[in-house]
Amino acid sequence: QVNLLQSGAALVKPGASVKLSCKASGYTFTDYYIHWVKQSHGKSLEWIGYINPNSGYTNYNEKFKSKATLTVDKSTNTAYMELSRLTSEDSATYYCTRWARVGFAYWGQGTLVTVSS
Amino acid sequence: NTVMTQSPTSMFISVGDRVTMNCKASQNVGTNVDWYQQKTGQSPKLLIYGASNRYTGVPDRFTGSGSGTDFTLTISNMQAEDLAVYYCLQYNYNPWTFGGGTKLELK
Repeated sequence: QVNLLQSGAALVKPGASVKLSCKASGYTFTDYYIHWVKQSHGKSLEWIGYINPNSGYTNYNEKFKSKATLTVDKSTNTAYMELSRLTSEDSATYYCTRWARVGFAYWGQGTLVTVSS
Repeated sequence: NTVMTQSPTSMFISVGDRVTMNCKASQNVGTNVDWYQQKTGQSPKLLIYGASNRYTGVPDRFTGSGSGTDFTLTISNMQAEDLAVYYCLQYNYNPWTFGGGTKLELK
């Protein structure tokens, strides 16, 4: 069965960076794009961008272009998102999700990032 | 960016009610709209893709309709387990954008 397992909660200091992981299992990793979505506490969802695990091609929401960097490691079926120069505005839950023609049918459990000194 | 405006922002409903919520796109997105359900503390769950296609395993009380700029999600015979926030998503234009959500609460 398809599973996306995300890394645990992170507490990071302002100005620092954090790298979140999303380990895929139960399907051929390179067959589906991985997207990342941000959800600030009590707020709606924001699309950050996606990566094609086969080619490494990325497409970002302009808003997150200088904030997020998406990568993959095909040897471990893992997608990563690095967030840089963190501020309180980056405190949120971040989800990875797999895109198919039928939509975002599979989601990770989310990673809570808290930015605080 | 394509703005997805959901209405109402919240609804107080009773079990057994028929519930209708709307999503309006700021430009024509064809049928490239999905609907997601999110319960408290959980990841979103896919309900409807391509505006009107029910995803595998989704109860048939959930129905999506619309095209262009106006979309509707209907829940016939509302159940207690349907209490959640519902989001629409357009993927016709970059950046993909979600609506602000409609929260269903018990009357």
